[in-house]
Amino acid sequence: GQQLNQSPQSMFIQEGEDVSMNCTSSSIFNTWLWYKQEPGEGPVLLIALYKAGELTSNGRLTAQFGITRKDSFLNISASIPSDVGIYFCAGQETSGSRLTFGEGTQLTVNP
Amino acid sequence: GAGVSQSPSNKVTEKGKDVELRCDPISGHTALYWYRQRLGQGLEFLIYFQGNSAPDKSGLPSDRFSAERTGESVSTLTIQRTQQEDSAVYLCASSWVANYNEQFFGPGTRLTVL
Repeated sequence: GQQLNQSPQSMFIQEGEDVSMNCTSSSIFNTWLWYKQEPGEGPVLLIALYKAGELTSNGRLTAQFGITRKDSFLNISASIPSDVGIYFCAGQETSGSRLTFGEGTQLTVNP
Repeated sequence: GAGVSQSPSNKVTEKGKDVELRCDPISGHTALYWYRQRLGQGLEFLIYFQGNSAPDKSGLPSDRFSAERTGESVSTLTIQRTQQEDSAVYLCASSWVANYNEQFFGPGTRLTVL
């Protein structure tokens, strides 16, 4: 089956630093999504990407849909303590189909 | 507005017992998804409903797992004869099919099988 490789698995950074994480896939996706999950809660959608090469921002978050459609990255600028959580990438083959998730990146921000 | 809700939030059961997990999707969302998340891992797809039919149930790990959906509302995931490896958080998501299928998640049910 499809697999998403997400890296890094964890990051420990100082407040104010920028963060970058990425996902690569063995196959093509037509949609990439980035979610954040906090303890005891379900994932919350941060950014959705629908076209190869698309670069989308949401506040301090920026994500890109790779040209090959097999990868995506998420950047967080000027991190703050409330950015702490687990960030997941997810790919979707076709409209309405299942999401395939990466293993997550655990982000810790030290004040 | 109301998001996706799931009940119970926590369930502890003994090995061999059956459990039912409930999901109430966002009103008007036609698509509903079930995922499983083991501790420290990403989400694994289980089953997808479009209305009350299930076009994709390929993620159900065994015949002990089943799910149904009433119309375009509530869904129930049933696990029969639970095993310890079934312990996980079970997450439900729903989406408008038309709106690029962005899936919105509930808080999950944490299942512990003793």
